[in-house]
Amino acid sequence: ETGVTQTPRHLVMGMTNKKSLKCEQHLGHNAMYWYKQSAKKPLELMFVYSLEERVENNSVPSRFSPECPNSSHLFLHLHTLQPEDSALYLCASSQDGEASRGYTFGSGTRLTVV
Amino acid sequence: AQSVTQLGSHVSVSEGALVLLRCNYSSSVPPYLFWYVQYPNQGLQLLLKYTTGATLVKGINGFEAEFKKSETSFHLTKPSAHMSDAAEYFCAVSGNSGYSTLTFGKGTMLLVSP
Repeated sequence: ETGVTQTPRHLVMGMTNKKSLKCEQHLGHNAMYWYKQSAKKPLELMFVYSLEERVENNSVPSRFSPECPNSSHLFLHLHTLQPEDSALYLCASSQDGEASRGYTFGSGTRLTVV
Repeated sequence: AQSVTQLGSHVSVSEGALVLLRCNYSSSVPPYLFWYVQYPNQGLQLLLKYTTGATLVKGINGFEAEFKKSETSFHLTKPSAHMSDAAEYFCAVSGNSGYSTLTFGKGTMLLVSP
């Protein structure tokens, strides 16, 4: 399997649930990202991991908790979400020091909070 | 710091007509520039990029873009639109050395009518 894989593709959860989004990359990259894409709003960078360490957190609410156990895997743990958190969550990866290559994106997880 | 401005949140063309999607950028260092395409409920796919060298770059699906430093622009064009080109297009900029995150524009939705 190649590229960036996100699971699940669709997720419906209640506001009191706890769930996790998973991202896996098979490109040998060393940086991974979580983006939130809401309707009629620009892409929002949520978290950046480089060499498995968080290097950027753009003031994301604590109900979103990222985890990067190794350079190939990235998780986004969700708990007590709000309806406004419904969005497409995109994972991406890249190679630090090789900005010319850009990012490779997964297909996203469509999250609906009810 | 970098920023991207995409003029027009929606652009409508007829099948067979010229496609022109506008992108202007701001960067304190020489930029790398990218265009991504997103089909419904999918991730972002790299369309083309400018790093160094030739300022006219060609991408997939017949798209091309020209880097104009004096105008700080990187507009995306295609001579003849096809129905399958209907999607959202994102322009992005990054710095050209070391660790650098991509900064995305707000996106332009391309609508193609028969």
